[in-house]
Amino acid sequence: DAKTTQPTSMDCAEGRAANLPCNHSTISGNEYVYWYRQIHSQGPQYIIHGLKNNETNEMASLIITEDRKSSTLILPHATLRDTAVYYCIVRSNSGGSNYKLTFGKGTLLTVNP
Amino acid sequence: DAGVIQSPRHEVTEMGQEVTLRCKPISGHDYLFWYRQTMMRGLELLIYFNNNVPIDDSGMPEDRFSAKMPNASFSTLKIQPSEPRDSAVYFCASRTGGNGYTFGSGTRLTVV
Repeated sequence: DAKTTQPTSMDCAEGRAANLPCNHSTISGNEYVYWYRQIHSQGPQYIIHGLKNNETNEMASLIITEDRKSSTLILPHATLRDTAVYYCIVRSNSGGSNYKLTFGKGTLLTVNP
Repeated sequence: DAGVIQSPRHEVTEMGQEVTLRCKPISGHDYLFWYRQTMMRGLELLIYFNNNVPIDDSGMPEDRFSAKMPNASFSTLKIQPSEPRDSAVYFCASRTGGNGYTFGSGTRLTVV
């Protein structure tokens, strides 16, 4: 799986948009970008994923650059409960050992009142 | 949907004892994963199953660790004998074709 690079930590004001960047310059054509988050003492939670088009769901939006070498997760109106470690992961959906999900260190997002 | 259910939530045991962690995946999910999380190493994949068959156990640290999935609704991770360095939070996750994994709440293991 392609390696990802994320900032170690970020701050965001409550009610503002949180934009979390991720670099994945070695991503290959069949690899998806996945985002998970882990709130303290809980299991990781799936947020969103995409291949090349931008995606939006009830939790967040995912913007992938045209060359697919980077992406941004957007939480449109951050709340205190969004404070968590956010993981950007790239992997293939083609099956076999590619179903492994490898977590890096992620970005600690702190939402401040 | 009760989600992925893990038990126990907390386990404290003495070094050398056998420890068994349990996981019930979401009904209908055909993949099951065991992860371990520590401050030093983060989240590590230990082993995963597809349709109850182990597919990749390359993350299992050593022979003291074993995992089984006797049926589609139950899996165990066993450590025998346990050591203090096994202290960690152990997560189970399941998925089926489609979106992401669903993780359980984890078992916090402390070996003293």
